[in-house]
Amino acid sequence: EAQVTQNPRYLITVTGKKLTVTCSQNMNHEYMSWYRQDPGLGLRQIYYSMNVEVTDKGDVPEGYKVSRKEKRNFPLILESPSPNQTSLYFCASSFVGGTGGEQYFGPGTRLTVT
Amino acid sequence: KQEVTQIPAALSVPEGENLVLNCSFTDSAIYNLQWFRQDPGKGLTSLLLIQSSQREQTSGRLNASLDKSSGRSTLYIAASQPGDSATYLCAVRTGNQFYFGTGTSLTVIP
Repeated sequence: EAQVTQNPRYLITVTGKKLTVTCSQNMNHEYMSWYRQDPGLGLRQIYYSMNVEVTDKGDVPEGYKVSRKEKRNFPLILESPSPNQTSLYFCASSFVGGTGGEQYFGPGTRLTVT
Repeated sequence: KQEVTQIPAALSVPEGENLVLNCSFTDSAIYNLQWFRQDPGKGLTSLLLIQSSQREQTSGRLNASLDKSSGRSTLYIAASQPGDSATYLCAVRTGNQFYFGTGTSLTVIP
């Protein structure tokens, strides 16, 4: 089954404790992306990757890191989480040939930073 | 920077009614526009993708149109059902980035 998986689905942590949210897709998509969703602000893009070893900042990259060492995986790293990073996080992937294909989304990771 | 707006923010209709959801964007240089459905606390489910060269796409009771020059898209839902109740989001690809509207929350009353 074609899918995007994220782990963990729920995470409660404390300020300053480094964490990683994993994302994996099995559709051989070149493009992968991370979003955060906050009430009233909608989904905002954090980082994206056009292919292996190619990453770039989205609109809200501060406080986050990413890496793309394999085509299928795109982990999101919070090196020193703060309460303002409490949010619902989504990973997505798509083909980028031509004008691009459908984005497929993971189930989301609800992060709470206390 | 691309700005995407969805109006109305919330909509309540009786079952069986046809309805239109609106999405507008400020920069017409888009590659594609995608409509999604999101149920409370859940992920996003893709409904329709319209490429920049297309005018509309249809899937079952859903029809999405795109007018790039005026920066508008509409999602038409025919014969609405209670199961259509959800938040509907539109997203545009501009360059290598995606921009989302804040959604329209739809309630279909039985």
